[in-house]
Amino acid sequence: DAGVIQSPRHEVTEMGQEVTLRCKPISGHNSLFWYRQTMMRGLELLIYFNNNVPIDDSGMPEDRFSAKMPNASFSTLKIQPSEPRDSAVYFCASSLSGGALGEQFFGPGTRLTVL
Amino acid sequence: ILNVEQSPQSLHVQEGDSTNFTCSFPSSNFYALHWYRWETAKSPEALFVMTLNGDEKKKGRISATLNTKEGYSYLYIKGSQPEDSATYLCAFIYNQGGKLIFGQGTELSVKP
Repeated sequence: DAGVIQSPRHEVTEMGQEVTLRCKPISGHNSLFWYRQTMMRGLELLIYFNNNVPIDDSGMPEDRFSAKMPNASFSTLKIQPSEPRDSAVYFCASSLSGGALGEQFFGPGTRLTVL
Repeated sequence: ILNVEQSPQSLHVQEGDSTNFTCSFPSSNFYALHWYRWETAKSPEALFVMTLNGDEKKKGRISATLNTKEGYSYLYIKGSQPEDSATYLCAFIYNQGGKLIFGQGTELSVKP
């Protein structure tokens, strides 16, 4: 298996633009997680899905952030409008058993820079 | 507020040294604890998932113990090698839903 796939790997955009990050989980995994990594706050969970349903989005910073999982093999994280403080590395992870007991497999991350 | 603390923040050891570091978490509402290894410019990789008080897991030279009553887990590396250099993250889970709360990590540097 190719592992968790994220695209793009790098994104540079200007403040106010819409940004869409994409994730393809490992086939057969039923849980998907979006994380943000910053120097100040470390690795933070933004939102996660079980069986394509959003379970906990309490980590989403504000309404400018939205995430969807239209099917088991694809998820997007959208920022509209983007701001410089959104600059970070965004990781997607998936797990097989879901919930607390499944180890999570992380994608390579998308490094977002908002100018 | 659920807080996960890791110590030390960073650690520098010589090749061949054995080392350990700590993850502290709230002892109430414990469900599971994960350990991840995160090399620079790569993604976190799962090491262990621990659920039972007194649990001990081992993978090669790396092992971990868990004390849920007092709220800590230790990660041990025996005979550190330069390739062990990475940040080691623990993540606490307080319910079945699976939301991980990560510590800030311990950055390990092993010098040849």
